[in-house]
Amino acid sequence: GDSVTQMEGPVTLSEEAFLTINCTYTATGYPSLFWYVQYPGEGLQLLLKATKADDKGSNKGFEATYRKETTSFHLEKGSVQVSDSAVYFCALRGGSGGGADGLTFGKGTHLIIQP
Amino acid sequence: ETGVTQTPRHLVMGMTNKKSLKCEQHLGHNAMYWYKQSAKKPLELMFVYSLEERVENNSVPSRFSPECPNSSHLFLHLHTLQPEDSALYLCASSPNTGTGADTQYFGPGTRLTVL
Repeated sequence: GDSVTQMEGPVTLSEEAFLTINCTYTATGYPSLFWYVQYPGEGLQLLLKATKADDKGSNKGFEATYRKETTSFHLEKGSVQVSDSAVYFCALRGGSGGGADGLTFGKGTHLIIQP
Repeated sequence: ETGVTQTPRHLVMGMTNKKSLKCEQHLGHNAMYWYKQSAKKPLELMFVYSLEERVENNSVPSRFSPECPNSSHLFLHLHTLQPEDSALYLCASSPNTGTGADTQYFGPGTRLTVL
């Protein structure tokens, strides 16, 4: 079945540092890929997505590129802020090519940004 | 504001109690989902509904009973739960099922504690 693997944290960085959170996936077919963010006490919010190979999703300074050759969707940000502290989830959907489907999630990466 | 609301936000119940979780979406979507988020585990898809019909049930114990009376409301009825069922229960909606590119929008979750 489909699966998502991402680095587990916590990942601790200083403000204005460069961020990379690795995500790789296993899926049949042509999945869409997502990054969600969860702030303390809240549900998941979509951060960005990409629906086909070589697409780049971007939002709020975050970027991720759908790399089919390496089955990866790494999340990057050039300069993190304290307000970026949260748990980040990589997810895929539609890997089996259709039918009723939910999201397959990684375990989440807890990001802590220190002033 | 994501357009998906959940009540209650917190629930404590004994193993012999019966309670219900409620989810409502104001986005005009046709598909709704229940997920379970436990500590140290990836989010797990529990149920998928499309136009009020259950289309997926991921081997969830019968002590969890979903109900979808219309495309805007989703319930999760709970009875004779176990302490290991304590988790954050997240509801989500998307325009349709079977379309991998559609984004799922999440509610804030219900934090359930089973004593």
